Amino acid sequence: KAGVTQTPRYLIKTRGQQVTLSCSPISGHRSVSWYQQTPGQGLQFLFEYFSETQRNKGNFPGRFSGRQFSNSRSEMNVSTLELGDSALYLCASSLADSGPDTQYFGPGTRLTVL
Amino acid sequence: EDQVTQSPEALRLQEGESSSLNCSYTVSGLRGLFWYRQDPGKGPEFLFTLYSAGEEKEKERLKATLTKKESFLHITAPKPEDSATYLCAVQAWSGSEKLVFGKGTKLTVNP
Repeated sequence: KAGVTQTPRYLIKTRGQQVTLSCSPISGHRSVSWYQQTPGQGLQFLFEYFSETQRNKGNFPGRFSGRQFSNSRSEMNVSTLELGDSALYLCASSLADSGPDTQYFGPGTRLTVL
Repeated sequence: EDQVTQSPEALRLQEGESSSLNCSYTVSGLRGLFWYRQDPGKGPEFLFTLYSAGEEKEKERLKATLTKKESFLHITAPKPEDSATYLCAVQAWSGSEKLVFGKGTKLTVNP
């Protein structure tokens, strides 16, 4: 069974630009969550999508947005990039069944903002 | 607010020297506690799910345990390939899949 895939794997942008990251979940998984990982803050929750609806959102500015398509694939967008947005962006998918629901992570997209 | 604290931040062991990593948590209602392993530049790799105090799970040299306030990841006779950052996360009964992570423990096993 194929794992979670993320594209692109690496990105270099300059301040003020915008960027779109893509995530394809494990087949059959209905929930996709996004996380930002930095050395100082660790892994922080950005948002979660389930059935094309944002179900939860972390404490990030409105420049961070996302969406989910009918095939469960998801994209996240960051507008007006700042230097502090440099991070590893991780996507995770899960079945979204009842009970403890394991999230499986992709390899991440390394974003560098210059 | 849900919180996870992991200790120590870093741990150096000699090959074969057993030890434990700690994860203390506060959560409004525990749906699950998760352990992941992360190698540099890669995404977290799932290890264990625990959801009930007293529960234990094992995989090769790793054993995870859970109490009402903390979880331990015991590493028995570690090998250099066990070197990685180990992350603990909690999931609450909140109607979402959100995970709250600790900062991790960076484990180095010397041959």
